[in-house]
Amino acid sequence: GQSLEQPSEVTAVEGAIVQINCTYQTSGFYGLSWYQQHDGGAPTFLSYNALDGLEETGRFSSFLSRSDSYGYLLLQELQMKDSASYFCAVRAGSYQLTFGKGTKLSVIP
Amino acid sequence: DGGITQSPKYLFRKEGQNVTLSCEQNLNHDAMYWYRQDPGQGLRLIYYSQIVNDFQKGDIAEGYSVSREKKESFPLTVTSAQKNPTAFYLCASSIDRTSGGNEQFFGPGTRLTVL
Repeated sequence: GQSLEQPSEVTAVEGAIVQINCTYQTSGFYGLSWYQQHDGGAPTFLSYNALDGLEETGRFSSFLSRSDSYGYLLLQELQMKDSASYFCAVRAGSYQLTFGKGTKLSVIP
Repeated sequence: DGGITQSPKYLFRKEGQNVTLSCEQNLNHDAMYWYRQDPGQGLRLIYYSQIVNDFQKGDIAEGYSVSREKKESFPLTVTSAQKNPTAFYLCASSIDRTSGGNEQFFGPGTRLTVL
């Protein structure tokens, strides 16, 4: 089976940088995805890493280390609208995603 | 505009009643998924369908049933056998089964409360 660990809550100041970590254990591994979900809303796709390294998309970056079974989401120049829950998800040898329990990010002025 | 619609947004049912949640997509996606989300929890896969007239059980299929008679539609029935049906239900789709492991597009969700 698959299991993912990520912090339950993170608080950061507007304009700052925050990193949300995700460690995983899987029986197979194809890639790590990140999703954002605002309260009461639908998850939206942020990024996908299949290979080691950093992928950058605007203010958001995602990193993967397959050898360490570890990845992180980096949010720069934090804005109040970034307050949301962030989920990592693994694709592990099937066509399905297994999600972590999510990290609730609170951005404060 | 293309997207996924789920209706209704809020649904109330009495214990012991079956209820069907609607999910429609006009993205021309082959694969569709149903997830359940409980407070403070991640998404857990109930059922998924890679193609019309085919579907597979996910991690928590007990007490649920689905059908996939049309590419655009993937309704979920929550039966009376589901022990704790009150939850937020999310439908998703992906271009095909391969990309489903990467990017999935989600509907707005249906919040089901069983009284």
